[in-house]
Amino acid sequence: SQTIHQWPATLVQPVGSPLSLECTVEGTSNPNLYWYRQAAGRGLQLLFYSVGIGQISSEVPQNLSASRPQDRQFILSSKKLLLSDSGFYLCAWRQGAGGYTFGSGTRLTVV
Amino acid sequence: RKEVEQDPGPFNVPEGATVAFNCTYSNSASQSFFWYRQDCRKEPKLLMSVYSSGNEDGRFTAQLNRASQYISLLIRDSKLSDSATYLCVPHRSGGYNKLIFGAGTRLAVHP
Repeated sequence: SQTIHQWPATLVQPVGSPLSLECTVEGTSNPNLYWYRQAAGRGLQLLFYSVGIGQISSEVPQNLSASRPQDRQFILSSKKLLLSDSGFYLCAWRQGAGGYTFGSGTRLTVV
Repeated sequence: RKEVEQDPGPFNVPEGATVAFNCTYSNSASQSFFWYRQDCRKEPKLLMSVYSSGNEDGRFTAQLNRASQYISLLIRDSKLSDSATYLCVPHRSGGYNKLIFGAGTRLAVHP
């Protein structure tokens, strides 16, 4: 069966520090992968999506970047975090013609 | 006009009540629709997919009105465990299957 893993679950980082969040999918190949962010009390904002290794599309200009070094691995990074980067980060993949399946998310607090 | 619009609520209803949420979408090319449920501080989970005029799954019924570009979710016999935020997500093919989420409607079921 297909599963999606995301870690860490929570993270507290100082302003200006780097960030690396990892997402991996099991049980499928060549998935479309997505990174979303949800600010407190707000909706989900699409940040990046990827249709294959090395293929990244950015939806919103920001302090973040994404990479897909392997077929089932999607990484979200930042060189220097800002306070505004705080939020709930969700990785997702799409199962065929159905909706997305989300990872359990990383709650990032930048202090 | 926003791509997806939902009444943020909260809808406060007693156990056993029937409650309905509406969602309007702006892109008439949307072909399928998803309702997601998001519990507080958790990832969204797929509740129901709608590919034609509607769908029914137990106490949950979704109805689609393409002419008026809205989709509704009806919950019968509300349970305390139904308390969550319900996200409406229209989808159109192409565009790398990006899903655009509304901010959702919050439901609170009380004893």
